[in-house]
Amino acid sequence: EVQLVESGGGLVQPGGSLRLSCAASGFTFSSYEMNWVRQAPGKGLEWVSYIGSSGRTMYYADSVKGRLTISRDNAKNSVHLQMNSLRAEDTAVYYCARGGIDSFYFDYWGQGTLVTVSS
Amino acid sequence: SYVLTQPPSVSVAPGQTARITCGGNNIGTKIVHWYQQKPGQAPVLVVYDDSDRPSGIPERFSGSNSGNTATLTISRVEAGDEADYYCQVWDSSSDLWVFGGGTKLTVL
Repeated sequence: EVQLVESGGGLVQPGGSLRLSCAASGFTFSSYEMNWVRQAPGKGLEWVSYIGSSGRTMYYADSVKGRLTISRDNAKNSVHLQMNSLRAEDTAVYYCARGGIDSFYFDYWGQGTLVTVSS
Repeated sequence: SYVLTQPPSVSVAPGQTARITCGGNNIGTKIVHWYQQKPGQAPVLVVYDDSDRPSGIPERFSGSNSGNTATLTISRVEAGDEADYYCQVWDSSSDLWVFGGGTKLTVL
């Protein structure tokens, strides 16, 4: 059974940093692309970042470029999101999502971790 | 950047057919995916590659895509289908994944 479990969320002050993690199990992690998708309270879904299966290719939404960094550790079946220079508008539930094989959808999602940026 | 437009809400009686649209410039040239999200839960993929269903998704869920509109059709709607639905594409011109604003399906 595919499982994605996020951790690392919490309350942080504006300008602060946070590191999110996603532990994957139930599939060959190194064969799949991974993503982070977020959802602000009461709002819709927003794709945040992508990382290729080998970790060499990354993409970011314009709203987070230069502040958030995605990485992965295929030996530990995990993907991370380093979040720096956080803003109030980064407040959201952050979901880890697996990329579909040979297509650009998200076939499995974690339950999410809440990040709150507030003073 | 590419924009996907969904109606904020759609209402339908049980047993009837719900159609949720997703508009975009020449969206028929792109590949559309659909997600269902119930309150307090993570999204679930219900249709991928315009019209395919993941295993475990009922045949009542179907998709189509042509011209400037993609459509998610839910036949024989049940109370358990009440949820937010999101369309999504990959914009190859910018290497960005794009979601529609979401549609709240209410079962009357």
